[in-house]
Amino acid sequence: GENVEQHPSTLSVQEGDSAVIKCTYSDSASNYFPWYKQELGKGPQLIIDIRSNVGEKKDQRIAVTLNKTAKHFSLHITETQPEDSAVYFCAASRGSYIPTFGRGTSLIVHP
Amino acid sequence: DSGVTQTPKHLITATGQRVTLRCSPRSGDLSVYWYQQSLDQGLQFLIQYYNGEERAKGNILERFSAQQFPDLHSELNLSSLELGDSALYFCASSVTGGSDSPLHFGNGTRLTVT
Repeated sequence: GENVEQHPSTLSVQEGDSAVIKCTYSDSASNYFPWYKQELGKGPQLIIDIRSNVGEKKDQRIAVTLNKTAKHFSLHITETQPEDSAVYFCAASRGSYIPTFGRGTSLIVHP
Repeated sequence: DSGVTQTPKHLITATGQRVTLRCSPRSGDLSVYWYQQSLDQGLQFLIQYYNGEERAKGNILERFSAQQFPDLHSELNLSSLELGDSALYFCASSVTGGSDSPLHFGNGTRLTVT
């Protein structure tokens, strides 16, 4: 089955810096890669996703890049703010298969 | 607000007991998923339903069972509870249940087994 590795497990940055979280996947047939943000006391919420026919997608301060050859995708957050502090999960899926989630990255943005 | 409602928010019970967690999916979503999140653990997939039928099963213990009703709400039943069952249980829903259909998560039920 699919295996998703996510790094780093913890990321600490200063407000205004950029943050990058990386994920690798094992199943070359995976074609959908969502990112979720989980704030304290809440469930994960979709923040951005990318499909395998696209190499990059941006939404204001966040962007996701996908390298199908290397089987990795990354979340980029620019101009980080304290409210970006949360746990971020990547996932990969294909066809009718259940999404496989990474183990999460705890992002801490220091004011 | 994701539109997914989970009740109760907190549940404290003793070992050996049975509890039922409830989930109402987002309006229009036909598929429901259940996940378990333990301390410092990721999201462990338990089971998926689509329009009342079981579609996929993950690492769900035999002591756990679930169902999706005709009105599409779902219940997760946990029995013979053990201390290790203490965790956050999330329900998520999606429109089609397909791989490229984003999941919408509720805010979870925190289960504490004492």
